Amino acid sequence: DIVMTQSPLSLPVTPGEPASISCRSSQSLLHTNGYKYLDWYLQKPGQSPQLVIYLGSNRASGVSDRFSGSGSATDFTLRISRVEAEDVGVYYCMQTRQTPPTFGQGTRVEIK
Amino acid sequence: QVHLVQSGGEVKKPGASVKVSCSTSGYNFVIYGINWVRQAPGQGLEWMGWISTYNGKTKLAPRFQDRLNLTTDTSAATAYMELRSLTSDDTALFYCARGVTAGDTHSFFDFWGQGTLVTVSS
Repeated sequence: DIVMTQSPLSLPVTPGEPASISCRSSQSLLHTNGYKYLDWYLQKPGQSPQLVIYLGSNRASGVSDRFSGSGSATDFTLRISRVEAEDVGVYYCMQTRQTPPTFGQGTRVEIK
Repeated sequence: QVHLVQSGGEVKKPGASVKVSCSTSGYNFVIYGINWVRQAPGQGLEWMGWISTYNGKTKLAPRFQDRLNLTTDTSAATAYMELRSLTSDDTALFYCARGVTAGDTHSFFDFWGQGTLVTVSS
């Protein structure tokens, strides 16, 4: 299975300041079709996960443009340009390049 | 609007089976597959399996291969997850999630159910 490693696991942030989360995969997530099969999800407290970024860099419908995703074949980053209180929760990266899809351990974002 | 509504929480004894439903609305059911994801208390997310709503084909995570059954009822636009031989380690929230295909490869999960808590206790 492809192992996904996130860092940091905990991220205290100041409202209005930027934040970034790293996700590394044990194998390339870049397909020959050009897609990078890496997604980001946010699980807010007490809620189901929600899609934030798909295929490496595409914002999901309704997601603020404060969120952006980037990355190469094995190293990916989720950036929040200016953190707001509503952004708190646990962020997971997930790969679907190979079955089974696998998730990172999660990064807990909280307000300082 | 797309909605995935799951059945209510269950309490089961060790060795029993549980069947969770995921009722969908707001889109053409047979266009998107359904994934099932497990989350143990205070833990992360674990993919369990996927079912094609078009032809019933499934892909299951190896660790669940021998006791997980995924099915659909196309007429009811509903997917089902049945897990057998439950142990206390199966106590978790179970989510269904709609899967999108990108480039002929199963890709992201764009809509999720609210989760179903299954508690396994003697």
